[in-house]
Amino acid sequence: GQNIDQPTEMTATEGAIVQINCTYQTSGFNGLFWYQQHAGEAPTFLSYNVLDGLEEKGRFSSFLSRSKGYSYLLLKELQMKDSASYLCAVMDSNYQLIWGAGTKLIIKP
Amino acid sequence: EADIYQTPRYLVIGTGKKITLECSQTMGHDKMYWYQQDPGMELHLIHYSYGVNSTEKGDLSSESTVSRIRTEHFPLTLESARPSHTSQYLCASSGLADTDTQYFGPGTRLTVL
Repeated sequence: GQNIDQPTEMTATEGAIVQINCTYQTSGFNGLFWYQQHAGEAPTFLSYNVLDGLEEKGRFSSFLSRSKGYSYLLLKELQMKDSASYLCAVMDSNYQLIWGAGTKLIIKP
Repeated sequence: EADIYQTPRYLVIGTGKKITLECSQTMGHDKMYWYQQDPGMELHLIHYSYGVNSTEKGDLSSESTVSRIRTEHFPLTLESARPSHTSQYLCASSGLADTDTQYFGPGTRLTVL
């Protein structure tokens, strides 16, 4: 079967750095997406990785290793507004998105 | 401004009622999707469409139906709502390329009593 694993919850301090991991087992791979979802709101797109390596976009970076079935989202200089759930989703061989349950990130002052 | 809209945002109804959740987008996107999401859980695809007159069922078994008569409009209908339908319903759209990013509407939170 297809499976996406993320930690359920993480806590970090304002101004610090946090890494949210995602491991996947899917039938085929056509890229990995990260979305941010604030409580009660819709997911918003953060990043897309299809090749191995690190993609940097401001305070957020996303890394992919296809051979290991592994990705992480790195958030730097954490702000209170970064408190949200972070969803990892993999596009399978049918170009359908398989979603993880999300990691709830709690930022403390 | 290009965007994706959903109405209503919140809906509380009784068992057995017929309801339609509306979704419209001004992004010029061909593909549209309906997802169901329970709190703390992953999104499940219930329906999608590649364009006008195209509708497909997703992975989640659903008693809902959809239609795509206009490119910008993708309504979802429940013929007879049940308490098990209580959930958040998210509409999304994307361009025609297979790996195009999906953009989401604000969602409809449905409660069936």
